[in-house]
Amino acid sequence: DAKTTQPTSMDCAEGRAANLPCNHSTISGNEYVYWYRQIHSQGPQYIIHGLKNNETNEMASLIITEDRKSSTLILPHATLRDTAVYYCIVRGVSAGGTSYGKLTFGQGTILTVHP
Amino acid sequence: GAVVSQHPSRVICKSGTSVKIECRSLDFQATTMFWYRQFPKQSLMLMATSNEGSKATYEQGVEKDKFLINHASLTLSTLTVTSAHPEDSSFYICSATSAPGYTFGSGTRLTVV
Repeated sequence: DAKTTQPTSMDCAEGRAANLPCNHSTISGNEYVYWYRQIHSQGPQYIIHGLKNNETNEMASLIITEDRKSSTLILPHATLRDTAVYYCIVRGVSAGGTSYGKLTFGQGTILTVHP
Repeated sequence: GAVVSQHPSRVICKSGTSVKIECRSLDFQATTMFWYRQFPKQSLMLMATSNEGSKATYEQGVEKDKFLINHASLTLSTLTVTSAHPEDSSFYICSATSAPGYTFGSGTRLTVV
């Protein structure tokens, strides 16, 4: 699996957009970019994933560069409850659309949303 | 969406005893489940991959005789920490493959005293 690089920590003011970057320069053509977050003492929560097109759901937007070597997770209006560790993970997906194989977690980005 | 239920959420046990942690997929079948361990201020470390009806695959450095994994049905995987010691105190998390992304349990905080 392609290795990812994320900043160790970031701060964001409540109500502002939080933009979390991720570098994955060794990503291969069939690998997706996944984002998860982990709030303290809880299991990770799926946020969003994408292959090459930008994606948006009720939680966030994912912007993937044209060369797919980096991406940005955007939380449009951060709240205090968005304070968590955010993990960017690159992984392949089966033909049926279900993730397969193991997920390898890096250190992630600690996002702190302050009032 | 898919839900994975993990129990217990917290457990305290005496050194030398065994503890069983359950991970259930509530509304979907999980052929494969994963077990992670997380120490304070560290990331999740994969311990093993659990496949229904077959032996688990353990990551390098994980003692298979100490961390027994059973995946007897498509909705249940269990992790038993045998002869627990204080150094086994950690946060254990299970996950299952599901669409669109993996679904994780809420974790089990194990404290061995």
